[in-house]
Amino acid sequence: DTGVSQDPRHKITKRGQNVTFRCDPISEHNRLYWYRQTLGQGPEFLTYFQNEAQLEKSRLLSDRFSAERPKGSFSTLEIQRTEQGDSAMYLCASSLIAWEQFFGPGTRLTVL
Amino acid sequence: DQQVKQNSPSLSVQEGRISILNCDYTNSMFDYFLWYKKYPAEGPTFLISISSIKDKNEDGRFTVFLNKSAKHLSLHIVPSQPGDSAVYFCAARSNSGNTPLVFGKGTRLSVIA
Repeated sequence: DTGVSQDPRHKITKRGQNVTFRCDPISEHNRLYWYRQTLGQGPEFLTYFQNEAQLEKSRLLSDRFSAERPKGSFSTLEIQRTEQGDSAMYLCASSLIAWEQFFGPGTRLTVL
Repeated sequence: DQQVKQNSPSLSVQEGRISILNCDYTNSMFDYFLWYKKYPAEGPTFLISISSIKDKNEDGRFTVFLNKSAKHLSLHIVPSQPGDSAVYFCAARSNSGNTPLVFGKGTRLSVIA
């Protein structure tokens, strides 16, 4: 399977804990995006990488969130001191062309 | 404020009939529009797109229409099939650089056999 993969698919954590998600994009794609989707909403943009450079961050990305793409391949999204409001589906997408984004299956985070 | 609006949360259509999903936008800088389809427990899957220089794009059973003056687009699926039952998201991209996609809230389509 050469699509976008995300790990883990599900994560349950207690409030205040740190969590880290991983995204492996399609291998030749240089652009990588993180989105968050909550119930009844469409995906909302969090941040964007072109190769290893983080070029844009949404106002949704508070100081507790950090994302990296160290070698321009896989990316990680870390949430520190999780809050119940962080419960959501975290989606990763990759692309060669900016608007043709291919999404992974997402990581569903539940903060208790 | 929602820049991309899908005002119908759900739609039910009989198998074989036409499904019409609507989307409105407010940002006149949007120059590219996409429809994504999402099944439960999966990420959104790209379905069809249209550039703002066109008013129609067709791909098999799927056709997207764009009315720039009304800032409105629609997705037509004909004939509708039970496998089309999913949540459909309208998304738009601004022409100012590498901007991210802006999504609507989605419309849940149920195709009844």
